[in-house]
Amino acid sequence: KAGVTQTPRYLIKTRGQQVTLSCSPISGHRSVSWYQQTPGQGLQFLFEYFSETQRNKGNFPGRFSGRQFSNSRSEMNVSTLELGDSALYLCASSSMGYRGRENIQYFGAGTRLSVL
Amino acid sequence: DAKTTQPNSMESNEEEPVHLPCNHSTISGTDYIHWYRQLPSQGPEYVIHGLTSNVNNRMASLAIAEDRKSSTLILHRATLRDAAVYYCILKIRINYGGSQGNLIFGKGTKLSVKP
Repeated sequence: KAGVTQTPRYLIKTRGQQVTLSCSPISGHRSVSWYQQTPGQGLQFLFEYFSETQRNKGNFPGRFSGRQFSNSRSEMNVSTLELGDSALYLCASSSMGYRGRENIQYFGAGTRLSVL
Repeated sequence: DAKTTQPNSMESNEEEPVHLPCNHSTISGTDYIHWYRQLPSQGPEYVIHGLTSNVNNRMASLAIAEDRKSSTLILHRATLRDAAVYYCILKIRINYGGSQGNLIFGKGTKLSVKP
């Protein structure tokens, strides 16, 4: 079974631009979560999608948004990039929704975003 | 969310057991205890989870204190590949038996393994 795939792996943007990152979950997984990892703040939760609906959201400004498609693939978008948005963005998928089964998250390798 | 406390770093010798502690004194009766690890240049990886009883899987064992206020992740024979940051995370159990989606990561314990 293929793992979580994130594209692109590396990205360089300049301040003020916008960026879209993509995540393909493990086949059959309907939940996709996004995290930001920086040296200063560590791993922080951005948002979670399940069946195309945002179910949970972290404490990030509105410049960070996401969506999920009917095939469970997800994208996250950051508009008006700032230098502080430079980070590793991680996507995780899980088979959330099955009764009695614990929610285990499987992470991709991430997209490294550098904002210049 | 209940908070966990872990040592910042630990060292181990290759092929020796490693005990990684985690304190979670404010844990509620419905919180799961999860462990994830992050190897260098990779995304986090699930290791093990438990609720009340000790748990074993192919990667590790999880020992949970009787009062559930602490737990210990046990790697039975550390290898160089086990060098990583280990995160102890509490997850709130919800109605249908699983837990809520997102993980709240702390700083974790950086494990170094010496050959």
